[in-house]
Amino acid sequence: EVQLVESGGGLVQPGGSLRLSCSASGFTFSSFAMHWVRQAPGKGLEYVSAISSNGGSTYYADSVRGRFTISRDNSKNTLYLQMSSLRAEDTAVYYCVKEGMTTVYLDYWGQGTLVTVSS
Amino acid sequence: QSALTQPASVSGSPGQSITISCTGTSSDVGGYNYVSWYQQHPGKAPKLMIYDVNKRPSGVSNRFSGSKSGNTASLTISGLQAEDEAVYYCSSYIRSSPYVIFGGGTKLTVL
Repeated sequence: EVQLVESGGGLVQPGGSLRLSCSASGFTFSSFAMHWVRQAPGKGLEYVSAISSNGGSTYYADSVRGRFTISRDNSKNTLYLQMSSLRAEDTAVYYCVKEGMTTVYLDYWGQGTLVTVSS
Repeated sequence: QSALTQPASVSGSPGQSITISCTGTSSDVGGYNYVSWYQQHPGKAPKLMIYDVNKRPSGVSNRFSGSKSGNTASLTISGLQAEDEAVYYCSSYIRSSPYVIFGGGTKLTVL
């Protein structure tokens, strides 16, 4: 059974930093691209970032480029999102998501971790 | 990159069929057969319902179907059931960053 468990969320002041982690199990982690998707309270889904299976390629939404860094440790089956220069508008539930087998779709989602940026 | 365009809400009675549209451009929806649809119930993580325009993952009811014409994709739910009430999001691959974009979401109400 595929499981994705996010951690690291919490309350942080504007301008601060936070690192999210996602522990994966139930599949060959090193074979799949992984993604972060966020959802602000009461709002829709917003794509954040993606990383290829070997970590060699990364993608970012314009809203986070230059402030967030996605990475992975295939030896630990773990995905990361380093967030810096955080703003109030980054407040959201952050989901760790596995990419599908053949093309670009998001087939398994974690339960999400809440990040609140507030003074 | 602008979000894909979905109606804010749709509704239908049990047993009826509804269709949710998702309009993009030739750079996303119209350019690739990589449209997917997600269902989200309140307080829950999204769930994949359709991928590659019209493919259903294992375990998803065949009441859910997808299609595409030009720059517009559609999700059809037939034989509406109360448990179908949720928010539905479409998504498409785009070749340039950020790689994936979402629609704004459509709230389905089963009357």
